[in-house]
Amino acid sequence: QVQLQQSGPGLVKPSQTLSLTCYISGESVSSNTAAWNWIRQSPSRGLEWLGRTYYRSKWSNDYAVSVKSRITINPDTSKNQFSLQLNSVTPEDTAVYYCARLCTINSALDYWGQGTLVTVSS
Amino acid sequence: DIVMTQSPDSLAVSLGERAAINCKSSQSVLYSSNNKNLLAWYQQKPGQPPKLLIYWASTRESGVPDRFSGSGSGTDFTLTISSLQAEDVAVYYCRQYYSAPITFGQGTRLEIK
Repeated sequence: QVQLQQSGPGLVKPSQTLSLTCYISGESVSSNTAAWNWIRQSPSRGLEWLGRTYYRSKWSNDYAVSVKSRITINPDTSKNQFSLQLNSVTPEDTAVYYCARLCTINSALDYWGQGTLVTVSS
Repeated sequence: DIVMTQSPDSLAVSLGERAAINCKSSQSVLYSSNNKNLLAWYQQKPGQPPKLLIYWASTRESGVPDRFSGSGSGTDFTLTISSLQAEDVAVYYCRQYYSAPITFGQGTRLEIK
C-alpha cells in the first residue's frame, strides 16, 4: 500500500520560497511505473497541476507553464521522497498543496498526500 | 490546455435516487492507439484529498462501490450514482490526462435533498 506523507511550513512570507516535502512509503521514488506530482487547490483556481518528476532510465521533470519560471521539483532517492520549491511567492500562491502519485499503467492519480495549507502572508 | 467543464455546479438529490454529473472536454480525450478515453473521476470530502473513483472514463477503481459508474466517449462524459447514499455527499471532479498539462473540471457539489 502506497502512502504519501507531506511536511513543510504552513506560512510563508511574500517573495520568499515555499518548500514542501512528500515522503513515499510502499513504493520507490525511482519506480518506472510512477510519476510524482504536486497539485494545489484554492477557491479561485480550483485544482491546479503544478508539475511532476519521474524516472525512466534518467530523471525528468515537467512543469505547468503558469509556474515554470518559479518551480523546482526534486527527487531524493536516499530518503525516498520528493520536494517542491516555489520561489517568489505572492498571496495568490495561498492554497492547499498536495503531492500525488500518477500510476503510468492507468494514468490515474491514485494516491495522494494529506494536503498542506500554505498561506502566503507577511 | 484542454478545458474541462462540469455541469451542474451543484446538485441536490434525494437519498436512494439517481445522481448524474456531466463533464465536457474542449477536445477529444479518446486515445486512438488503445481506444481508451483518458478521463478520470474523483470524489472529495471536506478536509480530504481527492479520491480516485473511475479511470479510463468507465473503469472503477478497486474498492469503489458499484453504485458509481462512468460513461461517455470523446468529449462528453457522465458520472452516475445509481442510488445516492448519505456518505456520497461530496464535491466531484473530472480530470483529463490526454495531454499535458493535466486539467480538472471546476467541480460539482452533490448534496442531499
